[in-house]
Amino acid sequence: EVQLVESGGGLVQPGGSLRLSCAASGFSVSSNYMSWVRQAPGKGLEWVSVIYSGGSTYYADFVKGRFTISRDNSKNTLYLQMNSLRAEDTAVYYCARDKRGTEDWFDPWGQGTLVTVSS
Amino acid sequence: SSELTQDPAVSVALGQTVRITCQGDSLRSYYASWYQQKPGQAPVLVIYGKNNRPSGIPDRFSGSSSGNTASLTITGAQAEDEADYYCNSRDSSGYHVVFGGGTKLTVL
Repeated sequence: EVQLVESGGGLVQPGGSLRLSCAASGFSVSSNYMSWVRQAPGKGLEWVSVIYSGGSTYYADFVKGRFTISRDNSKNTLYLQMNSLRAEDTAVYYCARDKRGTEDWFDPWGQGTLVTVSS
Repeated sequence: SSELTQDPAVSVALGQTVRITCQGDSLRSYYASWYQQKPGQAPVLVIYGKNNRPSGIPDRFSGSSSGNTASLTITGAQAEDEADYYCNSRDSSGYHVVFGGGTKLTVL
């Protein structure tokens, strides 16, 4: 079964750091594009970052320079290192396999992990 | 980057047909994909590409596209279809992804 399981969320103070993990099963993280998507409480979905199978990375402007996407091929796990966190980064963070070609889609999605930035 | 625009809310009578639209310049270059999200749950892919349904998605869900507008149609809406629906596509850069603001579907 193809599955993603996120972990690492929690309460952090403004300016703090947190690392999210996304463990994959049923497929290889290193052979696929993988994205992080977030959703603030009561708001819509917002794309955060992608890592290509070749290792290239791209970020939404609002996290550029603060967040870093990476993966550990041996653990088949995707990561999101979040630094200099702000209150507006409070959200549920989802990881998803990001298929791109003549047709694009995100599937599967993880269950999400909640990040709360507050003092 | 670019934006995708969706109507915030749409309603449909049980068993009737509803169309949810998504507009944006990037849709002239890229197909949209569509996601259903129920309260407290992760999004689920329902339509991608020209008009493809993942395994397990009922055939009452279909997609289409014309110019800068993509549409998700539910033919014979059921009570369990009540949810938020989001479109997405790559943006004009081709590297980033953009989501529509979401449409809350109410089945009456």
